[in-house]
Amino acid sequence: DQQVKQNSPSLSVQEGRISILNCDYTNSMFDYFLWYKKYPAEGPTFLISISSIKDKNEDGRFTVFLNKSAKHLSLHIVPSQPGDSAVYFCAARSRRSSNYKLTFGKGTLLTVNP
Amino acid sequence: NAGVTQTPKFQVLKTGQSMTLQCAQDMNHEYMSWYRQDPGMGLRLIHYSVGAGITDQGEVPNGYNVSRSTTEDFPLRLLSAAPSQTSVYFCASSYLQYITDPRNGYGYTFGSGTRLTVV
Repeated sequence: DQQVKQNSPSLSVQEGRISILNCDYTNSMFDYFLWYKKYPAEGPTFLISISSIKDKNEDGRFTVFLNKSAKHLSLHIVPSQPGDSAVYFCAARSRRSSNYKLTFGKGTLLTVNP
Repeated sequence: NAGVTQTPKFQVLKTGQSMTLQCAQDMNHEYMSWYRQDPGMGLRLIHYSVGAGITDQGEVPNGYNVSRSTTEDFPLRLLSAAPSQTSVYFCASSYLQYITDPRNGYGYTFGSGTRLTVV
């Protein structure tokens, strides 16, 4: 039973437009949400995070929105650039976690076309 | 260059064989961990270590052993490989102070992965 769901396996957008990547979760014990980006043949790298007590966090072109009542978060990239083409993983931490475990979604492949 | 080095990058094993996936970091990170990524699934924690001589189980530890004799190295051993262990394996390391602080993504530095196929 996946507790973090990224239902869109892929997304394609034009350069300069907005990319919106979605993530849904089921565990109400999650207190922090993170986004990682992964290029082919490389390990994931951290992108941005948000605490469950906030509804928005912004870092440059990247903004994450959290809707706790809907158990939904989204990552907005504006404007999208070809270098943003990668797999994006949503991850969550449970406040009850005793082993530092992050629960990851299965990822969404973003392709930004020039 | 500083970072996390995983070897080998690719490996094919026969069912029942054993092997060790190597992970080394040169950043003096106390925390090291192994994740696996399967098609259609997110990364799942196998084992982790918070310092030399200290290891513990993650979410999917069965079939794997680890040890941490030095700060730098955290090898993952497959005792008797099974097709279900076909996966991409990632090693991640961090400073212990960041592991309890998710604001910066746990401070994880990931290796580039080992793609393992068990036939």
